[in-house]
Amino acid sequence: EPEVTQTPSHQVTQMGQEVILRCVPISNHLYFYWYRQILGQKVEFLVSFYNNEISEKSEIFDDQFSVERPDGSNFTLKIRSTKLEDSAMYFCASSDRDLSPVGYFGPGTRLTVL
Amino acid sequence: DQQVKQNSPSLSVQEGRISILNCDYTNSMFDYFLWYKKYPAEGPTFLISISSIKDKNEDGRFTVFLNKSAKHLSLHIVPSQPGDSAVYFCAASFYNFNKFYFGSGTKLNVKP
Repeated sequence: EPEVTQTPSHQVTQMGQEVILRCVPISNHLYFYWYRQILGQKVEFLVSFYNNEISEKSEIFDDQFSVERPDGSNFTLKIRSTKLEDSAMYFCASSDRDLSPVGYFGPGTRLTVL
Repeated sequence: DQQVKQNSPSLSVQEGRISILNCDYTNSMFDYFLWYKKYPAEGPTFLISISSIKDKNEDGRFTVFLNKSAKHLSLHIVPSQPGDSAVYFCAASFYNFNKFYFGSGTKLNVKP
């Protein structure tokens, strides 16, 4: 069964450093999302992406965040200058909304900012 | 952002019995509702969904009920199995499906 994959599974970085989290969505999906979950809190929406454009973004997704689909398979989330409060599990999701609005999630990347 | 709420942080059920997980929402414009199951250190796994034009959807042991007048949905698992032990999130979306609003989750423990 097709699945969303994410790399790395765990990223440790120093505050102020740039990180890039990578995702490979399900191959025929066209809609992509990033969510995050801070330990003990709810899953929070960051951004949705379709047709090489951001469809919607949350207040969390400020100028320090960016997303890109650099090729036909990868979908990346970049945090330019990480802060301690960016430490969280970051989940990528994809969907084929024309057939089903269900979002299928990857296993997540645990980001630890020291 | 408290548009989707799960007021029970945990639920413990005996194997073979029914598990009922509840979810409330505040925005009557939501068009689609989903339940996800999540194990520690894994991503949410889609379980079952329901459109706002329906009041029930069933898939094997899992049934979701939607009460639009009460802005309430519930997930029934019958019979419950130890492997069902996980955190269950409900989520809601508007018609454009640009984002899902998640509840805070209910941790289900099914005891053998």
